[in-house]
Amino acid sequence: AQSVTQPDIHITVSEGASLELRCNYSYGATPYLFWYVQSPGQGLQLLLKYFSGDTLVQGIKGFEAEFKRSQSSFNLRKPSVHWSDAAEYFCAVGMNLEYGNKLVFGAGTILRVKS
Amino acid sequence: DGGITQSPKYLFRKEGQNVTLSCEQNLNHDAMYWYRQDPGQGLRLIYYSQIVNDFQKGDIAEGYSVSREKKESFPLTVTSAQKNPTAFYLCASSIPHKGRGRENTEAFFGQGTRLTVV
Repeated sequence: AQSVTQPDIHITVSEGASLELRCNYSYGATPYLFWYVQSPGQGLQLLLKYFSGDTLVQGIKGFEAEFKRSQSSFNLRKPSVHWSDAAEYFCAVGMNLEYGNKLVFGAGTILRVKS
Repeated sequence: DGGITQSPKYLFRKEGQNVTLSCEQNLNHDAMYWYRQDPGQGLRLIYYSQIVNDFQKGDIAEGYSVSREKKESFPLTVTSAQKNPTAFYLCASSIPHKGRGRENTEAFFGQGTRLTVV
C-alpha cells in the first residue's frame, strides 16, 4: 500500500541553525512528491514539489528538498531557520487513480524554533 | 484573487444532527477534494470529485456525503452516522491528472473548518 512516513513528530532547532525534516515514501510507480507547511488553524501552503528531472528542488521561503530514489526519501532542508518557520510540515506523494489523482500525506512534523 | 473559500471557520454540532461544510473555488479547477485532519494523523481523504456530477469515495467516506452540482462548489455533509466527527476539515482543488501532464497535480487548500460536536 502507498504510504508516507515522517519519522519525527516534533523537532526543535535554534534560530539560525540548519534544518532537515525527513520523509520516506512507499509507492510502486515513479512518485511525484510535495512538501506543504501549515500554521496553526490554517490551510496548507505548498513549499515545493518534485515531478522529474533535477533531484534537488528549490521552493519558497528558502527551502529545498532532495529526491533520492534509492532511499525512497524526499527530505526537506533549510540552511538557516527563522522563528517564522515554526509550523507543521507535511510530506505527500501524489497517486494516479482510475478517476484522477489524490495526495497521500504523512503524519506531519511539528517544528519549534527557539531563540 | 483566485482561491478556495471554506465556511464557516468554526462549526458546532449537536450529536445526532447533520451539518454541511461549504467549499467554493474560483480557480477554474476541475478536481476537488475533502480531507479530514486529526492531530498526529496527517490528512485523510474523505471524498474527491474530478468533474461535475461525479465523485468518488476516499479512504474514510463512511458517515459523510458530498455533491458536485457546480464546478465551483463541493459541499461536504457530516451525517449523524459519523461516529467521531470532531476534526479539522480541509477542502482542496487541482487540475485533474487524467489526460494532462503530471505537473498539474498540485493541490490548493482552503483555510479549513473546525467542527466540534457538543
